[in-house]
Amino acid sequence: SQTIHQWPATLVQPVGSPLSLECTVEGTSNPNLYWYRQAAGRGLQLLFYSVGIGQISSEVPQNLSASRPQDRQFILSSKKLLLSDSGFYLCAWIGHSYEQYFGPGTRLTVT
Amino acid sequence: AQKVTQAQTEISVVEKEDVTLDCVYETRDTTYYLFWYKQPPSGELVFLIRRNSFDEQNEISGRYSWNFQKSTSSFNFTITASQVVDSAVYFCALSDPFYGQNFVFGPGTRLSVLP
Repeated sequence: SQTIHQWPATLVQPVGSPLSLECTVEGTSNPNLYWYRQAAGRGLQLLFYSVGIGQISSEVPQNLSASRPQDRQFILSSKKLLLSDSGFYLCAWIGHSYEQYFGPGTRLTVT
Repeated sequence: AQKVTQAQTEISVVEKEDVTLDCVYETRDTTYYLFWYKQPPSGELVFLIRRNSFDEQNEISGRYSWNFQKSTSSFNFTITASQVVDSAVYFCALSDPFYGQNFVFGPGTRLSVLP
């Protein structure tokens, strides 16, 4: 069966510091992968999606970037965090019937 | 462009009441997929159901049921005999047929079930 992992689970970082969040998927190959952000009490904002290694589409211009160095690895990064980057970051992959399955998420607080 | 509307921002019910969460969508595609997700306080989104645009048959799963009406572009979700554990944010979502390159979530409805 397929599983999706995200780490870290929680993170507190100062403004201006770098960020690296990792997402890995097991049990499937060449999945479409997604990064979402959810601000407190808000809906889901799609940040990036990837259909394959090295292929990244950005939905929202911002100081975040994404990379896909391996088939089942998706990384979200920032060189300098802003206060507005605080939120709950979710990684997802898409199943055979178009449904998305989500990881446990990372709660990021920028101070 | 695709769009999903969940007009109910928050709903509160007392345990054992029935509750319906509304979802209205917009799309120009003739083939599309609709979904419901549950986000409990822990945060992780849980996939509940998928419907494709050619299947208007309603579905029941235990206390959960879904009513898909293409004529009104709605995909409503009913919880029968609600329980405290049903308290969560529920998201309706819409996907095009191009393998998820356009996957749109509604803003969510926060359901509180009071004991």
